[in-house]
This record gives sequence, structure tokens and C-alpha cells, in this order.
Amino acid sequence: NAGVMQNPRHLVRRRGQEARLRCSPMKGHSHVYWYRQLPEEGLKFMVYLQKENIIDESGMPKERFSAEFPKEGPSILRIQQVVRGDSAAYFCASSTGWGLETQYFGPGTRLLVL
Amino acid sequence: ELKVEQNPLFLSMQEGKNYTIYCNYSTTSDRLYWYRQDPGKSLESLFVLLSNGAVKQEGRLMASLDTKARLSTLHITAAVHDLSATYFCAVDMQGAGSYQLTFGKGTKLSVIP
Repeated sequence: NAGVMQNPRHLVRRRGQEARLRCSPMKGHSHVYWYRQLPEEGLKFMVYLQKENIIDESGMPKERFSAEFPKEGPSILRIQQVVRGDSAAYFCASSTGWGLETQYFGPGTRLLVL
Repeated sequence: ELKVEQNPLFLSMQEGKNYTIYCNYSTTSDRLYWYRQDPGKSLESLFVLLSNGAVKQEGRLMASLDTKARLSTLHITAAVHDLSATYFCAVDMQGAGSYQLTFGKGTKLSVIP
């Protein structure tokens, strides 16, 4: 059973470009979470999605960031017009969402903005 | 706003010694998680503690939860080099049906031969 998959694993963008990060949850999981980790910091929650629904986006910056989890295909975290401060590791986690379920994390995408 | 504080943030210990990492959180929650992260890697789930008084053990690691004190501990027994990693505790925020985790800053553990 494949775990949570993320791609790309490393992404380099210049300021002003767009970054698209993809996350495929574990088989059987329909709930996806995105977290951001700055160097030497813990993970900070960004957004929680179910298929075709955003459940909680309280951690998302108000501008330039968006997330989706379509009926078919992976969840996508999109960052428009990236700035140097967006450089971080972005982790996706998934769970079944039913009851007291552990969130399982993907390998992360390390974004570097030049 | 839920706050999660870990201490110490850095821990250097000799092989064979025992030590405890502490995790305090600021609001009521009955669910606490411990994760391990190796450099450049993702987070590996270690323990899920679901109720007051819960204690779980795996190898040289033992985690406990006191919901009244809002405190969890991760105890390391007879440390070995393979335990060198960063350990995070995280607490579940159950407001409005969201299960977002709030993480501490992590404890970076180095086990020295």
C-alpha cells in the first residue's frame, strides 16, 4: 500500500513565478491536509480538504495561495507570484477522516525561491 | 489560540542514558501525537495518545499523557545513536470539525557514542 505521495520533491522558482505542489493521499484516504515547515521550526497548518471541498483554510495566507482537491486526481497547492519568504518545505498529510485517525505524512516538497 | 511548547529544544545525550522530553499545550485537547523527523525527511508517526493517563511504549521510547496538566512526556531509555532525530509533539484542534494539528517547535536529539 503506497504511502502519501508528493511531487515534485524539490522545486526551484524565481520570484514572481508560480509553484504547483501535488499530493496523492494514501489509498482509502479522502482527507488531505497541507502544512508548511520553515527551517528549524515545527509544521504550521495551512488547509484541510476533502474531495471537492475546502473544510478549513484558516492557515492559508489570504493572497497568492490556493488549494484544491478535485474529484479525480491529486490535491494541488498553488502559490502564485512566489516570493523568497515562500521558501519552505511543504508537507501533505492524509487520513480516512473517520474517528480518531492519525495523519500520515508525505515526503514533502522543498520549495526554493531565488 | 492553541499553543504547544516543547522543551528542551536541543538535547545532546550519551548513549545508554535516559532522558525525558516535555510537551505542554494551552487548551483542552484529548489527543496528542508524537512524530519523529530525520533530516530532510518526512514525519513518521510514533504515538497517538487519546485519553488521560494513556501510556504507550515502543522499544526505547515511552509516551504518556496527562490531560489535566496539559502535559505529555516522551521518555527515552538507554539511548542509542539511531534515536538521533527531531521529535515533534502535536495536538489536535477539534473546533468546527477540523482536525488540524498544532505542532511544537521540535526537540532536536543528538545521541553521542
